[in-house]
Amino acid sequence: GNSVTQMEGPVTLSEEAFLTINCTYTATGYPSLFWYVQYPGEGLQLLLKATKADDKGSNKGFEATYRKETTSFHLEKGSVQVSDSAVYFCALRPDTGGFKTIFGAGTRLFVKA
Amino acid sequence: GAVVSQHPSRVICKSGTSVKIECRSLDFQATTMFWYRQFPKQSLMLMATSNEGSKATYEQGVEKDKFLINHASLTLSTLTVTSAHPEDSSFYICSARDPGTGGTGELFFGEGSRLTVL
Repeated sequence: GNSVTQMEGPVTLSEEAFLTINCTYTATGYPSLFWYVQYPGEGLQLLLKATKADDKGSNKGFEATYRKETTSFHLEKGSVQVSDSAVYFCALRPDTGGFKTIFGAGTRLFVKA
Repeated sequence: GAVVSQHPSRVICKSGTSVKIECRSLDFQATTMFWYRQFPKQSLMLMATSNEGSKATYEQGVEKDKFLINHASLTLSTLTVTSAHPEDSSFYICSARDPGTGGTGELFFGEGSRLTVL
């Protein structure tokens, strides 16, 4: 079946450090891939997405590249800020039709000043 | 972006009672909405797909009679937790797709509803 595995947290970084949150997936065909972010006390919101192999999604300094060969969609940011502290969810939407979205377990990021 | 609103944001009830949570799409029509349950260590579990005008599609392991879903209009889906027990205490989140965003599959999420069953 379809599933998403992402690195366990929490991840604690100092401001301006480099961030990588690993995400791998299991799915047939060509799913669409997403990163969602949940700031403290808020609902989830879309951070970035990629809909086909080798696409790079980017937003707010975050990037992730859809790697079909390694079934991965790792999230990266070159220089994190305190305001990036949140929970990050990797997710996929199968290409079998419909819009059901499967989420990873989430990775909590703490950024210290 | 599109706005999805949930109500109530927090609810406390006694064991054995039923609780209804509403999910509304405020500026778009949503033929499909999704209900998730978020567990203490963050993971999001898809409970069911709510289809306007028809029965909800439940994920394996989710009790249909426990978690009643009704999607009576294009802007409203409700989740009723029937005969709630302490183990039903959780954070429930709804989401919807805005057809205006095309086929990208982006979901818009409500703020979530925290249910505490005493």
